[in-house]
This record gives sequence, structure tokens and C-alpha cells, in this order.
Amino acid sequence: DAKTTQPTSMDCAEGRAANLPCNHSTISGNEYVYWYRQIHSQGPQYIIHGLKNNETNEMASLIITEDRKSSTLILPHATLRDTAVYYCIVSYLGGYNKLIFGAGTRLAVHP
Amino acid sequence: DTEVTQTPKHLVMGMTNKKSLKCEQHMGHRAMYWYKQKAKKPPELMFVYSYEKLSINESVPSRFSPECPNSSLLNLHLHALQPEDSALYLCASSQPRNPKGIAFFGQGTRLTVV
Repeated sequence: DAKTTQPTSMDCAEGRAANLPCNHSTISGNEYVYWYRQIHSQGPQYIIHGLKNNETNEMASLIITEDRKSSTLILPHATLRDTAVYYCIVSYLGGYNKLIFGAGTRLAVHP
Repeated sequence: DTEVTQTPKHLVMGMTNKKSLKCEQHMGHRAMYWYKQKAKKPPELMFVYSYEKLSINESVPSRFSPECPNSSLLNLHLHALQPEDSALYLCASSQPRNPKGIAFFGQGTRLTVV
């Protein structure tokens, strides 16, 4: 499984875009990039995932570089409820989705 | 319905007790997972079941015994635990062999061993 590197913590003002980077330089061609977040003491929540194209859903956008060695999760208008630990995970979908969590980025959204 | 239900939400047990954690999903997923999460740490994978068969055991001590009685249920039997086993235990499920399969997590069982 490819390893990911994320900043330990980030701050964002409420209403502004939060851009969370992730490096995954050893990603292989059949591995997807997944983003999950975990609000204090709750189970991880799926946000978005992608293979090589940029993706957008109602929660966020995922920008993957052309060489697939890094990606950025964008929360377009951060709210206080977006304060959480954000995990970037690279995983191969073979027989099952084996998600190995790294340390993640602790995002604090301030008023 | 994208819900994974874990019971109980909280559990306190003594080191000589036997208890079980339960996880249930009705999304038709055929892969189910147990994770353990210590305070301020990321979740750590413990077990993976695929089509009701144990596929991965991440060198978990035998005092943790998983069971998958059917495609909707996953249990974790606990026996002779230590205080350091106190943690949040998370269950997840996904659809295997699906390139867009997403893993959904339950809210966890917070276990305290006294």
C-alpha cells in the first residue's frame, strides 16, 4: 500500500475555502485516492475518492495532479462543522477495500 | 441506507470478563472490517472479512476473536482483555471487487477495560 504524507494541522477561516494537500509519490496505477474525515469521537466519514481525474461532489472537490503523486481536497466554503481530522488514503480495490490510515490533517475552522 | 450500526456504544468490562461487540449493515456489502483506534491516533486495521471468510488478521492477539455469522453481521468477541485494550472499536463495510466501492464506518464502540 502506498504511503501518504499530510500536514499535521491547518487552520481556515469560516466561509473560506480549505485546501488540504496530500503527497502519495509511490502510488501505483491501480490505486485510488480516498478522503475521509473524522469528527471528534465519531466514525470516519467518507468524503470523496478518485483515480486520476478531478472529482466533485456535494461535499468537496478532489484535484489529482497529472502524475498522480499528489492531490488536494477542497472544501469550498468551510464551516465550523468541518473542524475534523482529514485522512488521505491510497488503496487498491482488489478483493476488498483495505484502508490503511495515516496520521491525517487536523483542520480547525475558526469564526 | 448507508448505515453501519454498532452496539453497544459504550462498554466497560473487567479483565476477567467475556463480552462481544456487534456490527450490522444492510447495504448488501460482502466485506466487513474491524478497526481499533486509540486516543489521538488514526484507526488501525484489525480484521477483514470477505464473503464471510476471514481474509486478513493483522497479527491481532487471540483475546480478540472475530466472527462473521452471515453477510450482514460482524461480531468481535472479547476475553481476558488488558487495560491497554481500551479504545474506540470501529466497524466498516464495503462491496468487494467494485472499483468504486466505498467503505462506510459505524460510530464505534468505546471500550474501557478496568
